[in-house]
Amino acid sequence: NAGVTQTPKFRVLKTGQSMTLLCAQDMNHEYMYWYRQDPGMGLRLIHYSVGEGTTAKGEVPDGYNVSRLKKQNFLLGLESAAPSQTSVYFCASTPGRDTEAFFGQGTRLTVV
Amino acid sequence: KQEVTQIPAALSVPEGENLVLNCSFTDSAIYNLQWFRQDPGKGLTSLLLIQSSQREQTSGRLNASLDKSSGRSTLYIAASQPGDSATYLCAVRRLKGYSTLTFGKGTMLLVSP
Repeated sequence: NAGVTQTPKFRVLKTGQSMTLLCAQDMNHEYMYWYRQDPGMGLRLIHYSVGEGTTAKGEVPDGYNVSRLKKQNFLLGLESAAPSQTSVYFCASTPGRDTEAFFGQGTRLTVV
Repeated sequence: KQEVTQIPAALSVPEGENLVLNCSFTDSAIYNLQWFRQDPGKGLTSLLLIQSSQREQTSGRLNASLDKSSGRSTLYIAASQPGDSATYLCAVRRLKGYSTLTFGKGTMLLVSP
């Protein structure tokens, strides 16, 4: 059972470079989320989606864009990476609004 | 705005002790509360989900309670083991809007042999 899969697991970027993080879930979940986790800050919501073709801003959306063209995939893009975006990024999915959340294993991103 | 606080931030106990982790939240209008475990460098593993209409949930040595009116939840771990060492996170799902999860900063637990 794959569950929620994030690609890549590790990445080092130079300031100004762009990249896309991929989240794929095979559970037919409607809701998908992107969080970042920083020491002392906990997990903070970047963007989320309540269904295919929809996206919405979370708590810390600046510097990121997202797309949900297919129900099973949720992409997080960094157009021009900054050192402040060094973090561990987690994707999550849920079947509905009030159901259990499942998380991926995370992507550790370093921007130098 | 929903705020979630977890106390203590860190806890060290000898093997075999029973222990309680605390979680408090400011807005009682929630769908549910979920407890997670996170091992160093790993993702989050769901432990227990308590719906707002429930008082507690149990899974093995774990018992989670919810008092929505006072904005509190506790995670009770019985007969702790070194393998329980991890960071424990609680998260609440708001009733308002699109009901995204709001997390506490976690309690780092170390169980020594």
